[in-house]
Amino acid sequence: DSGVTQTPKHLITATGQRVTLRCSPRSGDLSVYWYQQSLDQGLQFLIQYYNGEERAKGNILERFSAQQFPDLHSELNLSSLELGDSALYFCASSVGGSGGWGETQYFGPGTRLLVL
Amino acid sequence: DAKTTQPNSMESNEEEPVHLPCNHSTISGTDYIHWYRQLPSQGPEYVIHGLTSNVNNRMASLAIAEDRKSSTLILHRATLRDAAVYYCILRDAEWDNYGQNFVFGPGTRLSVLP
Repeated sequence: DSGVTQTPKHLITATGQRVTLRCSPRSGDLSVYWYQQSLDQGLQFLIQYYNGEERAKGNILERFSAQQFPDLHSELNLSSLELGDSALYFCASSVGGSGGWGETQYFGPGTRLLVL
Repeated sequence: DAKTTQPNSMESNEEEPVHLPCNHSTISGTDYIHWYRQLPSQGPEYVIHGLTSNVNNRMASLAIAEDRKSSTLILHRATLRDAAVYYCILRDAEWDNYGQNFVFGPGTRLSVLP
């Protein structure tokens, strides 16, 4: 158990809909990262938040957005869903985020999204 | 884009050592080498990381070539539970001091035979 929790575990929805994925980082971790893992793309970094502020952006679509709240939990919002958005979405957390290139990321169990 | 090259798959027998190679010929001087693994139906988990010197922990050892253009993850005695996809990752130096974002390649799928 990494200490990172994600809800829900599974989500089935229809094209065009909007969903929200939730992540609670390990106690004391200030950074939250979101990744998408699909069969054809592998594990792709989406976005990072550090202590409530966006720190880095990866391959995140404009239809997707995220935020980190004062209690440090984070939500990833996916809108106008398409079939190709079906994937596993992982959240990870780390202690810092402003330096320390050797820092470890701890991953949650993921949310499996199926868009029909 | 991933900056590492790993074999797509490897096989090992249970209780034997496993050497998982990784090539990273374009590594920069400040890039850390991280290894993560992903067991079936789970999120990636940290295995080990290093910069220049060889590293050991309770899970594995990391041997880094002197020129740092390659590294090897060593599992000393493979168990069935070690069957997973192993990712060798460089911390993306483009992000400078911000955003410790890992660029995951396809990794090496390790099968452990009983």
